[in-house]
Amino acid sequence: GAVVSQHPSWVICKSGTSVKIECRSLDFQATTMFWYRQFPKQSLMLMATSNEGSKATYEQGVEKDKFLINHASLTLSTLTVTSAHPEDSSFYICSAKQGANANEKLFFGSGTQLSVL
Amino acid sequence: SQQGEEDPQALSIQEGENATMNCSYKTSINNLQWYRQNSGRGLVHLILIRSNEREKHSGRLRVTLDTSKKSSSLLITASRAADTASYFCATDAGGYQKVTFGTGTKLQVIP
Repeated sequence: GAVVSQHPSWVICKSGTSVKIECRSLDFQATTMFWYRQFPKQSLMLMATSNEGSKATYEQGVEKDKFLINHASLTLSTLTVTSAHPEDSSFYICSAKQGANANEKLFFGSGTQLSVL
Repeated sequence: SQQGEEDPQALSIQEGENATMNCSYKTSINNLQWYRQNSGRGLVHLILIRSNEREKHSGRLRVTLDTSKKSSSLLITASRAADTASYFCATDAGGYQKVTFGTGTKLQVIP
């Protein structure tokens, strides 16, 4: 099946620094990718929908300037957490749809655990 | 925002027993999907049921969908210790629209 690669798997950074997370579709083109955030023992909260060649669509309450999303190619989307603070510590997961058909499952990256000191 | 709510939040059963998880959602959907997540990992797709389907099987999994009640259930038969994980339902309005996840059920299968 389709594979989505996400890295890094984990990152520890100092408060105030920026962190970039990459999400790649390895064997298919993903016009749309999704970024989720997950707190311990909770569900996935959609942060934004990343569209190749256009601006991302952010969910209500998600700061656009804080979480920068770039989807420059059909196989790569990046999420940059700018000026990270301890409250940004979380598990971030990306996913991609293989096409725009009515019934398409999501393929997920393995997630990135971010710890901000 | 969450589209679906699942119950129970946590479920602990003995190996060999069946596990049933329920999901309720709020808006019209094109399909409903179930995913599994092992601790600290990404999600793995289990099964997709279209809005015009009522029941679907895949191995030991059985999914039902009642669009009139906006609810779905996932049944895992003859559970195994390896089935221990969190299970999420996800609703999809179709096309490039977003997929939103339920609150999840944490399943523990005791050997």
